[in-house]
Order: sequence, then C-alpha cells, then structure tokens
Amino acid sequence: ETGVTQTPRHLVMGMTNKKSLKCEQHLGHNAMYWYKQSAKKPLELMFVYSLEERVENNSVPSRFSPECPNSSHLFLHLHTLQPEDSALYLCASSQDRLREQFFGPGTRLTVL
Amino acid sequence: RKEVEQDPGPFNVPEGATVAFNCTYSNSASQSFFWYRQDCRKEPKLLMSVYSSGNEDGRFTAQLNRASQYISLLIRDSKLSDSATYLCVVRPGGGNKLTFGTGTQLKVEL
Repeated sequence: ETGVTQTPRHLVMGMTNKKSLKCEQHLGHNAMYWYKQSAKKPLELMFVYSLEERVENNSVPSRFSPECPNSSHLFLHLHTLQPEDSALYLCASSQDRLREQFFGPGTRLTVL
Repeated sequence: RKEVEQDPGPFNVPEGATVAFNCTYSNSASQSFFWYRQDCRKEPKLLMSVYSSGNEDGRFTAQLNRASQYISLLIRDSKLSDSATYLCVVRPGGGNKLTFGTGTQLKVEL
C-alpha cells in the first residue's frame, strides 16, 4: 500500500544533529497527524494539521518542529534530541478530523 | 482511570479458536470507536469501525456497549495470520482527537 509514505524508514542521529522526517499522503485527505510510539506505551498524538493549519500541539517539546507546506506533505524537523526521544514516529492522514486515520509505515528513530 | 484500557495479553490461542477482546473507555460522551491492528514493527492499520448496532466483517465482529462503556472484538476461526496487536481507539466526545489503547497482543499457534 502506498497511501501514506514516510521517509526515512530508519534514522540514527546524535543529540547535536538536525534532521527532518517526511510524510506524504496520496489519498486526497485534508488532515494530517504526527504520532510518537514508544515501547509499551499507547500512541501519543503530537501534532494535527487540518487544511494545512496546525490545530493541535500536545505539549510537545520545541525540539520537534512540524511543517505542513500543503495538504499532501508533512514534515517533522528534529534538533538537539534526547535519547528518550528514540521511538517510532508515525504519520497519519484522514479525510477530515472526524474520520478514520490511515497510517504511514513510520520512521524508527534512534538518538545516541 | 485511563481513557482507554485494554488487557495487554498476550492471548495465546490455537488455530481455529474463537477469541474475544474487550476495551473499556472512561468518557461516556465518546462518539466514535475503532479497532486497529498492528503487526510487529509495522504501522497500525484500520481493522473496522464499531457501530452502535454492532457490525461484522467476515470472521470479525465488533460490538459497542455504551451503558458499560466497553467495546469488544470477536475473532472466529483464528488464523496464524491473525497474530498481531489489536488497538482499541476511541474518539472522546466533544473532541476530534483519537485516543489509543496500549493494545492486546494475540498469538495464534498451530
């Protein structure tokens, strides 16, 4: 399935690096999301974009910076991360904020 | 109390068995309910939405009990390929955010 794609699939970075995660949806959806999934924890919603406007920011540290240039693309810019930020970062999209969400394959991030 | 609570399992069942999972939610005004499936090291995938009247999709049946605030997923004639973690997902009333449970792990064995 290629409805929602994410790159890179795996990323290892040092605490002083700057990197970006990319998400693209090919479903014509209007809402996009970033989630964090850590071991033994439920998915944590990080950011929500609806029609390219950020509508939710769940107390995420400023070292994570989202960007939504258009309704098909979503980025998560990372800088000065901590080892506890190591997790699976999942992008999702939905037709609107009330509909079911479809996930990308995720980026498995390791911070050294 | 957690917003969405699931028994983490694992549930180890033989092939062909029937297995049921329950999930409880705390917000009585919750409006939408879903079951997602997540394979190891993969993304969650929508299995089915849960409707008030209950709904069935092949071997899978989902039910909602608003009075007791739980949803259930019944899997009949389990297949090896059903082995995965099943995530209960709820949209609390008045909000647009989905709340995920930690998941119930199912292992179907020969």
